[in-house]
Amino acid sequence: DVVLTQTPSTLSATIGQSVSISCRSSQSLLDSAGNTYLYWYLQRPGQSPQLLIYLVSNLGSGVPNRFSGSGSGTDFTLKISGVEAEDLGVYYCMQATHAPYTFGAGTKLELK
Amino acid sequence: QVQLKESGPGLVQPSQTLSLTCTVSGFSLTSYSVHWVRQHSGKSLEWMGRMWSDGDTSYNSAFTSRLSISRDTSKSQVFLKMNSLQTEDTGTYYCARNHPPDYWGQGVMVTVSS
Repeated sequence: DVVLTQTPSTLSATIGQSVSISCRSSQSLLDSAGNTYLYWYLQRPGQSPQLLIYLVSNLGSGVPNRFSGSGSGTDFTLKISGVEAEDLGVYYCMQATHAPYTFGAGTKLELK
Repeated sequence: QVQLKESGPGLVQPSQTLSLTCTVSGFSLTSYSVHWVRQHSGKSLEWMGRMWSDGDTSYNSAFTSRLSISRDTSKSQVFLKMNSLQTEDTGTYYCARNHPPDYWGQGVMVTVSS
């Protein structure tokens, strides 16, 4: 199975600070058709996951544009440009290029 | 309004079978996939399987031998059945729509214990 390694595991930030989360894959997530099925989710405390980014860099419905995704192959990044209080929670990357679909271990974003 | 709601027993005895139902509204099961995803307490997410819009299914090989996903389109329900439960199957089970999963249910907590 594809292993997604997220760093850091915990991120402390102040409101307004910009932060980045890395997701590295054990295999390339580029498929033979040229698609990269890498997604980002946020799970707020006590809630279900929310889709933030799809196909590496596309913003999910209703997601603020302070979130952005980038990367290719095996190396991907989620950036938050100006953390807000509602952004606190655990961020997961997920890949769906290779079966079975797998998630990273998560990055917890907390207030400093 | 898209909604998904999981239901099922909160407590299952070891070696027994888990049966969960995902009841959806606001969309058709013949137009969208539904996934089942598990989360151990305080841990990451684990994809279990998928009911495709055409009725086909895909499973995580880690569960293949004991997991079955089915549906009743007339009732807008997707079912998960998993046998030979062990304590490590304790967790929160989610159903989620589409690919990638965009709308998720609130999850149902399942404890495997005697």
